[in-house]
Amino acid sequence: SQTIHQWPATLVQPVGSPLSLECTVEGTSNPNLYWYRQAAGRGLQLLFYSVGIGQISSEVPQNLSASRPQDRQFILSSKKLLLSDSGFYLCAWARTGHYGYTFGSGTRLTVV
Amino acid sequence: ILNVEQSPQSLHVQEGDSTNFTCSFPSSNFYALHWYRWETAKSPEALFVMTLNGDEKKKGRISATLNTKEGYSYLYIKGSQPEDSATYLCALSFGNEKLTFGTGTRLTIIP
Repeated sequence: SQTIHQWPATLVQPVGSPLSLECTVEGTSNPNLYWYRQAAGRGLQLLFYSVGIGQISSEVPQNLSASRPQDRQFILSSKKLLLSDSGFYLCAWARTGHYGYTFGSGTRLTVV
Repeated sequence: ILNVEQSPQSLHVQEGDSTNFTCSFPSSNFYALHWYRWETAKSPEALFVMTLNGDEKKKGRISATLNTKEGYSYLYIKGSQPEDSATYLCALSFGNEKLTFGTGTRLTIIP
């Protein structure tokens, strides 16, 4: 069966520090991978998605970036965090978005 | 940008009562509508996927309907239980592999 791992679960980082969140999927190959964020009082916003190794689509301009160095690994990064980067980050995978996602357990990021 | 709207934003329901809430969208040009349940400190869990006008899906005490002509989907919960407390998310998928989510309805069941 397929599983998705996301870590860390919580993170408190100072403004201006770097960020790296990692997500890995097991039990499937060539999945579509997604990073979403929920800011306080807002809905889930798609940040990045990837349909293959090295293929990244960005949905919103921001100081975050994503990379897919391996088929089942998706990384969300920032060189310098802003206060507005605080939120709940979710990684998800799908065979195709039409049939819905399976989500990771999420990372609560607080930038102080 | 497609707006997927959910109402109400939050809802308090007495245990044992039935309830429903709405997902509305301006376009019928999508592939599927999805409902998720998102409990605090857990990841969102898929409930239903619906594609056709008039679709109805049921899982235990929870059911959903889809009306693509008028642009809405209802989620119903019969005989609410404390474990139903969660945020319920609606999302649309198109031909581009992405889901567009609504802001959710936060349901609290009062024992």
